[in-house]
Amino acid sequence: DSGVTQTPKHLITATGQRVTLRCSPRSGDLSVYWYQQSLDQGLQFLIQYYNGEERAKGNILERFSAQQFPDLHSELNLSSLELGDSALYFCASSYSGRRTDTQYFGPGTRLTVL
Amino acid sequence: AQTVTQSQPEMSVQEAETVTLSCTYDTSESDYYLFWYKQPPSRQMILVIRQEAYKQQNATENRFSVNFQKAAKSFSLKISDSQLGDAAMYFCAYRSLSNAGNMLTFGGGTRLMVKP
Repeated sequence: DSGVTQTPKHLITATGQRVTLRCSPRSGDLSVYWYQQSLDQGLQFLIQYYNGEERAKGNILERFSAQQFPDLHSELNLSSLELGDSALYFCASSYSGRRTDTQYFGPGTRLTVL
Repeated sequence: AQTVTQSQPEMSVQEAETVTLSCTYDTSESDYYLFWYKQPPSRQMILVIRQEAYKQQNATENRFSVNFQKAAKSFSLKISDSQLGDAAMYFCAYRSLSNAGNMLTFGGGTRLMVKP
């Protein structure tokens, strides 16, 4: 158990809908990262937050957005869902967001878009 | 942009034997970190080992060790005395130390099967 929690574990929804994935980082960690794992694209970085501020952005679609709240939990919002958005979404956390920090991954949320 | 390549989609090993998983990467940077992550059927991503590029000594963690060849941009993972619990997807990952973010760039993964 990495100490990173993600809810829900599984999510099934329809095309065109909007969903919110939630992540709680390890106790004391200030930085949160979101990754997407799909059959087509493999594992790719979406976005990073550090202490409430966006730190880095990867291949995140405009239909997707994220934020980190004052209690440091983070939410990833996916809207206008398409079949291709079906994937495993991971959240990871690290202490300070320094480049030398190790990232610890949560168990993931499996999103299925029908 | 950096790329990470794992050329072996699948590998198999007999229990108690040794197996080596390959990883190559492309970068113009001199300072970076490399990682191996394990993803068992539970889908959890578990850190196996990490290597700082400035260190010449290869990292080891119990039965896991790496062969880091910086000039060749190669970073292989050796698993000794393989156990059934080692069966998983293994991902090689790169992290730059020269940009603002800490994102990991992953390879496509190698599925390791362990035969009893």
